[in-house]
Amino acid sequence: QKEVEQNSGPLSVPEGAIASLNCTYSDRGSQSFFWYRQYSGKSPELIMFIYSNGDKEDGRFTAQLNKASQYVSLLIRDSQPSDSATYLCALWGTNAGKSTFGDGTTLTVKP
Amino acid sequence: NAGVTQTPKFQVLKTGQSMTLQCAQDMNHNSMYWYRQDPGMGLRLIYYSASEGTTDKGEVPNGYNVSRLNKREFSLRLESAAPSQTSVYFCASSPTSTGVNTEAFFGQGTRLTVV
Repeated sequence: QKEVEQNSGPLSVPEGAIASLNCTYSDRGSQSFFWYRQYSGKSPELIMFIYSNGDKEDGRFTAQLNKASQYVSLLIRDSQPSDSATYLCALWGTNAGKSTFGDGTTLTVKP
Repeated sequence: NAGVTQTPKFQVLKTGQSMTLQCAQDMNHNSMYWYRQDPGMGLRLIYYSASEGTTDKGEVPNGYNVSRLNKREFSLRLESAAPSQTSVYFCASSPTSTGVNTEAFFGQGTRLTVV
C-alpha cells in the first residue's frame, strides 16, 4: 500500500461546478497535510494546509481532514478553467522532515 | 524576496559525470528538502535537512549526496550520473520539519537529462 493515495484521474468538471479531490494516507501519526497545485512544467504551488480535524476554507477552496478515517480532501467551488492542473496531496509524518507526496490528480475544467 | 532559488535550470550530463545542484532560500527557514519528479508521478524525497547541521535520507537517496552548507543553502550532488537519474529536481524549504509550520515552498526546478 502506498503511503499516500490519491483518487485516480483524470478528473473533468464543467466550469462553475465543484471539483472534489481525495487523498488517503497510512501513517496515523501524520501531523500536517497539504494540497499543492502544479501546472504543467512548473513547480508545485501551495494552495491549502490543514493540521486539525474538520474543514478549513480559503476563498473557493475547502480542505477537509478526518484523522480517524485517515482521509483528507480538497473541494474547489465555482471551478474555473485556470484551475486546470495537477493537484498533489502531501503530508509530513511522524519523523521530522519526512514528507510524502501522492502521485497527483489531474483536473480539467471545461468552459 | 526571491524565495527558493535553484541553479541550474537545465543540465545535460553524460553517464558517469558528476555535478552539484545548488539551492538557496531567503525565508529564514530551518528545514530544506530535495525531491525528484518523474513523468506522471508525484514528488519523491531524496534527502532532507531538518535543521542546519543535520541531513537525513529520504525515500530515494541512492546515487546522491547532500550538504547543508549553512542555514540558507542546501546542495545535491550526483557523483556518477546514470540515465535513471534523468528527472526534474525540486528544492524546497519550510519553517520547521515537524508539527505545524511545515508548509514547504518550492524552487523552480532543475531539468536534468543524463545521456
